[in-house]
Amino acid sequence: GESVGLHLPTLSVQEGDNSIINCAYSNSASDYFIWYKQESGKGPQFIIDIRSNMDKRQGQRVTVLLNKTVKHLSLQIAATQPGDSAVYFCAEDLTSYGKLTFGQGTILTVHP
Amino acid sequence: NAGVTQTPKFRILKIGQSMTLQCAQDMNHNYMYWYRQDPGMGLKLIYYSVGAGITDKGEVPNGYNVSRSTTEDFPLRLELAAPSQTSVYFCASSPPYSTGKYTGANVLTFGAGSRLTVL
Repeated sequence: GESVGLHLPTLSVQEGDNSIINCAYSNSASDYFIWYKQESGKGPQFIIDIRSNMDKRQGQRVTVLLNKTVKHLSLQIAATQPGDSAVYFCAEDLTSYGKLTFGQGTILTVHP
Repeated sequence: NAGVTQTPKFRILKIGQSMTLQCAQDMNHNYMYWYRQDPGMGLKLIYYSVGAGITDKGEVPNGYNVSRSTTEDFPLRLELAAPSQTSVYFCASSPPYSTGKYTGANVLTFGAGSRLTVL
């Protein structure tokens, strides 16, 4: 079946740097994408989402870019802080009812 | 509001035992979901419900059952536990799903998870 995958399983950055986490998807019919942050021992927390009719969306210190031509999604975190250390998942919603397909996840480690 | 509450947080089962993972939400969300997360992996959908009395299978339903008698509660039942069911289980809820072309409409709120070990 279709799946969502991540290019890099781990990413280490220094505090203050910008971080970029990538995600590839395989279904060109994908309509809606979400980034979640999961801290150790907690459930996933919504960060930002984007629909297929958009190329870019910005939130507070985060930006999601969608390149439909190459089926690529990225999450950019500006001025990364130690509190940003977590596992980041992209998720894809092909259907209705929130039946999300999650990628494997990228571990982001921010060093002070 | 407490959001999504899951109990228990941790449980160890012997092979063949049964148990129920409880999930409750106080946000008046129509939609509820159960996901499982294996080590180093993303979440996989087990079952979901779009309202009281309505449930449907997700990607990995085998070995589980659900019921939805109220809007607030969505328990997950494990019958005849197997080692392959060792995982972290997450319940989530969301407002009625929207297919509109705007963002932020279909955000799932997750519980803190229930870690289950089957020995």
